[in-house]
Amino acid sequence: EAGVVQSPRYKIIEKKQPVAFWCNPISGHNTLYWYRQNLGQGPELLIRYENEEAVDDSQLPKDRFSAERLKGVDSTLKIQPAELGDSAVYLCASSLGQGFADTQYFGPGTRLTVL
Amino acid sequence: AQSVTQPDIHITVSEGASLELRCNYSYGATPYLFWYVQSPGQGLQLLLKYFSGDTLVQGIKGFEAEFKRSQSSFNLRKPSVHWSDAAEYFCAVAKGTGGFKTIFGAGTRLFVKA
Repeated sequence: EAGVVQSPRYKIIEKKQPVAFWCNPISGHNTLYWYRQNLGQGPELLIRYENEEAVDDSQLPKDRFSAERLKGVDSTLKIQPAELGDSAVYLCASSLGQGFADTQYFGPGTRLTVL
Repeated sequence: AQSVTQPDIHITVSEGASLELRCNYSYGATPYLFWYVQSPGQGLQLLLKYFSGDTLVQGIKGFEAEFKRSQSSFNLRKPSVHWSDAAEYFCAVAKGTGGFKTIFGAGTRLFVKA
């Protein structure tokens, strides 16, 4: 069974440029998460989807970040415009449901460097 | 506010030696606790989780963790470390009902020397 797929794996951009990350969750997983992991820190949740509905986006900086999960399958996270402080690893995860017992499966992440 | 503290930024252990990684949490209710491992260039992988019941939890790759409510701790242990265990380890606590949010600690990097 394929795991969570993310692309690109690495991205280097100039500040003020836009950038987008793509995630394809494990087939059949209804819940999808986007996390940001700063250097030397644990992941922090940005947004959580139940099918196509964003049910928790309280940590998403909405002035520059946006996300979508059309058709409740794959998802895109966008930053426009990027700032130096956005340099981080962006992780996508998926789970069957949203309960405590539902294991989250993580993708390898996209490492973003903003110059 | 809920929080997770991993006091050790990094630990070095000889191959074959025992390992204990510390984790302390701050949470007002019954916690849901997790340990994840992240190898270089890889996503996080769940090692084990605790919801209730037996306070000693067995996980994958020979790891176990013990929940101690009196100490607000959930330490990860392994009796004999292998070189392939070198990685970053994250303790996490989940909060909420229904849909939940996972709060991660800052991680402990494990180095294994021959």
